[in-house]
This record gives sequence, C-alpha cells and structure tokens, in this order.
Amino acid sequence: EDQVTQSPEALRLQEGESSSLNCSYTVSGLRGLFWYRQDPGKGPEFLFTLYSAGEEKEKERLKATLTKKESFLHITAPKPEDSATYLCAVRGGGADGLTFGKGTHLIIQP
Amino acid sequence: GAVVSQHPSWVICKSGTSVKIECRSLDFQATTMFWYRQFPKQSLMLMATSNEGSKATYEQGVEKDKFLINHASLTLSTLTVTSAHPEDSSFYICSYNPVETQYFGPGTRLLVL
Repeated sequence: EDQVTQSPEALRLQEGESSSLNCSYTVSGLRGLFWYRQDPGKGPEFLFTLYSAGEEKEKERLKATLTKKESFLHITAPKPEDSATYLCAVRGGGADGLTFGKGTHLIIQP
Repeated sequence: GAVVSQHPSWVICKSGTSVKIECRSLDFQATTMFWYRQFPKQSLMLMATSNEGSKATYEQGVEKDKFLINHASLTLSTLTVTSAHPEDSSFYICSYNPVETQYFGPGTRLLVL
C-alpha cells in the first residue's frame, strides 16, 4: 500500500524567511510524485511532477527535489500570497489514482 | 494548465435525498476521470475511477451502490450520492490526467442536514 507522510503539519514563517517542506513516501513502482497547492475551499492547484531520484523542478519561489525516499519543496523568500496548504501525492504502479499526504499548512506573515 | 469544472460548487440537502455532482473537462477529452473526497483537515482520498463507456472501479471501503458514477462522454462524469446522510458531508473533487499530470476541479462542498 502506498503511503505519504508530510511534515511539518503546519509552518509559520516571516516574509522572506526561506524554508523547506518534507514529503516522505513508500510506493511500489513510482510513476510520479506530485506537489499541489490548495487554498481554503478550493481544489488542488498543480505545481510539479517529479519522476526519478535527482530530478529538480522550479517555479518562481518554489523548487521541488526528489530522492528515492522523500521529496522536498523549498520555498525561497516567501511572500504572504504563498500562504496555503501544500499537498504531496504519489502515483504507484498499481493504479492511476493518487495517494495524498495530509499536507503542510503554510502561513507567511508580513 | 488543463481546465476542469464542477457543478454545483456547493449544495445543502436533507438526509435521505440524492445529490448529483457534475464534472466537465473543458479542454481535453478524458477517457478516465477520478473522484476524490476530502474531510476537514484530512487528505484527499481516492473514491473511484470513472471510465468512459464502462463501469467505474471503486476503492476499498467505498460503496458503489451509494456513490453512483456515470462517465457518459469524454468530457462529462457525474457522481450521484444516493440517500445522503450527514456523514457524507464532505468536499468532493474530480480530476483527470492528460499526459501524466493530474488536474483537479474546484470541488463541490456537500452538507447533509
């Protein structure tokens, strides 16, 4: 059974204070690790897909990295508008649906 | 990115009634669509996979007779919650995956009184 664990559950940062969110996973035959942003009352917004260890992807202030056991979402010099819940999910070899972690609730204070 | 719409965005109903939620892919023909459910402060949980022209496949613990899925065309999938009860109150989200990415709809908030 695929499993995803995200840490921390919540994180409060000052504007401009860089940090990283962690996603640990166990999966049979990884066919993609996904990062999403979710605002309250809305559906997840796609950020990145990573497929193999060593892969990195960037988008504005966000950078996602992947190892064989975990992924990190690095946030550089965050702004208040980056406040959201960040979700990590995996697609394993068994099915096309995703297995999600519980998310990290990120708050960026001005 | 790909666009997915859902209707309604929220619904309140009485216990025992049925509720239909529509999910449309606006810029892609989807042979497969996914339905997820999210309870407050919980992660998204896959409920079922909807296949155009064939029966949906349900995850373990999801009652197929309670959550009816119809994928009648390449752009429309519907989820009907039959005889809804308060414990079915949740955030229902559809999704599809063109080219190894997976895009989500805006979600439907269901409250059963």
